[in-house]
Parts: sequence; C-alpha cells; structure tokens
Amino acid sequence: QVQLQESGPGLVKPSETLSLTCTVSGGSIISYYWSWIRQAPGKGLEWIGYMYYSVSTNYNPSLKSRVTISVDTSKNQFSLKMKSVTAADTAVYYCARRGNAVGGNWFDPWGQGTLVTVSS
Amino acid sequence: QSALTQPASVSGSPGQSITFSCTGTSSDIGGYNYVSWYQQHPGKAPKLMIYDVSVRPSGVSNRFSGSKSGNTASLTISGLQAEDEADYYCSSYTNIFTVVFGGGTKLTVL
Repeated sequence: QVQLQESGPGLVKPSETLSLTCTVSGGSIISYYWSWIRQAPGKGLEWIGYMYYSVSTNYNPSLKSRVTISVDTSKNQFSLKMKSVTAADTAVYYCARRGNAVGGNWFDPWGQGTLVTVSS
Repeated sequence: QSALTQPASVSGSPGQSITFSCTGTSSDIGGYNYVSWYQQHPGKAPKLMIYDVSVRPSGVSNRFSGSKSGNTASLTISGLQAEDEADYYCSSYTNIFTVVFGGGTKLTVL
C-alpha cells in the first residue's frame, strides 16, 4: 500500500526557509492530490496546502504568502517550502494524500510526521 | 478562514456511546458533504476514521459512525473501549477550495 515519509532539517533559524520533502512509495504520485498539514506542540491540526501533481495548488490563506508546494514526479516526491519562519512555525509537519483518484476531501495515508523547530 | 468548533474534551465509561460535535458554517460543513474525522493517539500520526460525512474506511470499526445536520457534523462511538481514548479532529472542505480542521476533542475513557 502507499506509504509516505517526510524528510528535512529538524532545526531552522528564524527568518530562514523551511524545506521538507515527502517521498511516496508503493504508488504513483501522478493523478492524486498531495497535502501538507502541521501540528504545533500541544495544539491542533492546521492544513497548510495541497497540490494536484504540478497542475494546481491551494494554500491556507493565512500561510499563502510564505508557502510553496511543488512536485518532482521523477522522484515520486513532493515538497514544502515555507519562507521567513518564526518560532510560531515550530511544529510536527505531516504529508498526506488527499482523497482518491477521482477526488474527495480526506487525508489518508499520512506520513509519520517530522518535528521542525525554529530557533537560533 | 476560521477553525471548526469542537468541544475541548469529552469523557465516557466503557460500553457507553459518545458523540462528538463539530460546528462550522454554510461555507464549509453546511455547504458540502466533505466532512472527515481523524483519531490521533499521543505521538502518532492522525488516522482517518470517517470521510464524506458518514463513510467508514476499510479496517475502521463499525462502532464509529458519522452524520451531519446543517452546519454541524457529529462522530459517534458506540461501545466505548479503552483504546478509543485519543484526540479526535474533524475537517471540512470550504467554498474557497481550502480545508479547515477543528480544534480537536480529547476523549477520556473513565
């Protein structure tokens, strides 16, 4: 079955750019929506954005100016870049598949999550 | 966009039925049948429990059921078990093509 794995630096300095990659195994990244979701320590889930394999993207309005989601179909990976980070961006970042091949708005499966701490 | 509203905590005894509420607006829950629910145990990734308001994914116990009325969605767990103790989050599609989550409800099994 499809499995997702996040990777990237666990520590990012304030004002710099956070970069994470999600590797998809067990299935193709093509023809699906892929999403990033985060969870600050002790807080709830926050949707960051989703993309349809390089065709279209949608972002959380509160993060839209700082976020870019992109895909590398040759590597079966998609990525998150968030610029000008602050301590408020410290969170566990999850990647997830949205819906199925014909659409839908649910998230499954999820990666295990990766903690990113913003600190100097 | 505003987060969906969920009670911070609920509790129940083993064997009981318990219902979580998730309140939104006509721009999200009320406008689409795209409500999903997730269970999250401490330190773990969320797990999909219900999608499209009331559809249970393969492998999820039939003790879990979902429904919607107007701008409020509900998740019901029947025959409460100790392993159900976790945080539960609702989510909905919105009229601006985005996704919104609720703040989460902590379930305590007494």
